[in-house]
Amino acid sequence: GDQVEQSPSALSLHEGTDSALRCNFTTTMRSVQWFRQNSRGSLISLFYLASGTKENGRLKSAFDSKERRYSTLHIRDAQLEDSGTYFCAAVNTGNYKYVFGAGTRLKVIA
Amino acid sequence: NSKVIQTPRYLVKGQGQKAKMRCIPEKGHPVVFWYQQNKNNEFKFLINFQNQEVLQQIDMTEKRFSAECPSNSPCSLEIQSSEAGDSALYLCASSRTGNSDYTFGSGTRLLVI
Repeated sequence: GDQVEQSPSALSLHEGTDSALRCNFTTTMRSVQWFRQNSRGSLISLFYLASGTKENGRLKSAFDSKERRYSTLHIRDAQLEDSGTYFCAAVNTGNYKYVFGAGTRLKVIA
Repeated sequence: NSKVIQTPRYLVKGQGQKAKMRCIPEKGHPVVFWYQQNKNNEFKFLINFQNQEVLQQIDMTEKRFSAECPSNSPCSLEIQSSEAGDSALYLCASSRTGNSDYTFGSGTRLLVI
């Protein structure tokens, strides 16, 4: 079946630094959504992309519009409140259900 | 606060008992999904609905779960006979169409003892 390979699996950042998460898809995907899951389990939507890039504050996401085989999430100037587990989820054409990546556990340290 | 409302937040059941959880989708979202997230953070798709109709479901759901999304009532997912391996976070999501973004609820954390 469709697979989503998310990397890195864990990441530790100092406050103020930048980093990027990536999801590779084993097949062409129609859209991708990025989430952050907090300690209570709530999945907070960060971005939904069918193509191109979106930016919101210190976060920016891109979806490869040509091959539609990967997406990235960039974190700029990391803050303590960015800590959590980040997931990408993608869906291919003709399918309604998302396939999730395995998650990236991010810890931002002072 | 999420626009998808899930209840209860926590559920503790003994093996063999029924376990029922509910979900009110975001207003204007006719497509509803249920996922199970295990302790390793892995997501498993369970079932989805468009209005009251089941679109897709996995074998496990068909055999062991009862799920519905009646009109003007919350959607529900019920395990008919709980097993220890059912202990997980159950997440409900809704969407305007099958091709648009999901809004997730806060989940129901089930513990089967």
